Amino acid sequence: DSGVTQTPKHLITATGQRVTLRCSPRSGDLSVYWYQQSLDQGLQFLIQYYNGEERAKGNILERFSAQQFPDLHSELNLSSLELGDSALYFCASSVAGLGFDEQFFGPGTRLTVL
Amino acid sequence: SQQGEEDPQALSIQEGENATMNCSYKTSINNLQWYRQNSGRGLVHLILIRSNEREKHSGRLRVTLDTSKKSSSLLITASRAADTASYFCATDGTGGFKTIFGAGTRLFVKA
Repeated sequence: DSGVTQTPKHLITATGQRVTLRCSPRSGDLSVYWYQQSLDQGLQFLIQYYNGEERAKGNILERFSAQQFPDLHSELNLSSLELGDSALYFCASSVAGLGFDEQFFGPGTRLTVL
Repeated sequence: SQQGEEDPQALSIQEGENATMNCSYKTSINNLQWYRQNSGRGLVHLILIRSNEREKHSGRLRVTLDTSKKSSSLLITASRAADTASYFCATDGTGGFKTIFGAGTRLFVKA
């Protein structure tokens, strides 16, 4: 158990809908990362937050947004969902949010868009 | 495109054999990390090697780094069926904040 929690574990929804994925980092970790993993795209970095502020951005679509709250939990919002958004979404946390930090991954949320 | 590219994409070996996976990257790095992922689960950190290090060991794992060739290798000695997983390299990329993962090597160890 990494100490990172993600909810929900599974999510099934329809195209055009909007969903929110939630992540609670390990106690003491200030940085949260979001990744998308699909069969054909591998593990894609989406976005990183450090202590409430956006620190780095990856291949995140404009339909997706995220934020980190004062209690350090984070939410990833996916809107106007398309079939291609079906994937495993991982949240990870680290202490300082630096490139050499060890990241601790949550169990993931499996999103299925029908 | 990915900063890190693992090679091979997939590897199948017998229990007890050694497994070697390679990672090549494109830009200068400060650090390189290896992670492991069991099917459908979150990644687990294995080892970090800094750019001024050439080799590092952790149990049955041996990592090498060649910054002149922009490549790293992960050697798992005396493999076990439980080592079956995907292995990813990750680099810190430009600016030091972003961690960029490669596409991974799928290792299958047959009992």
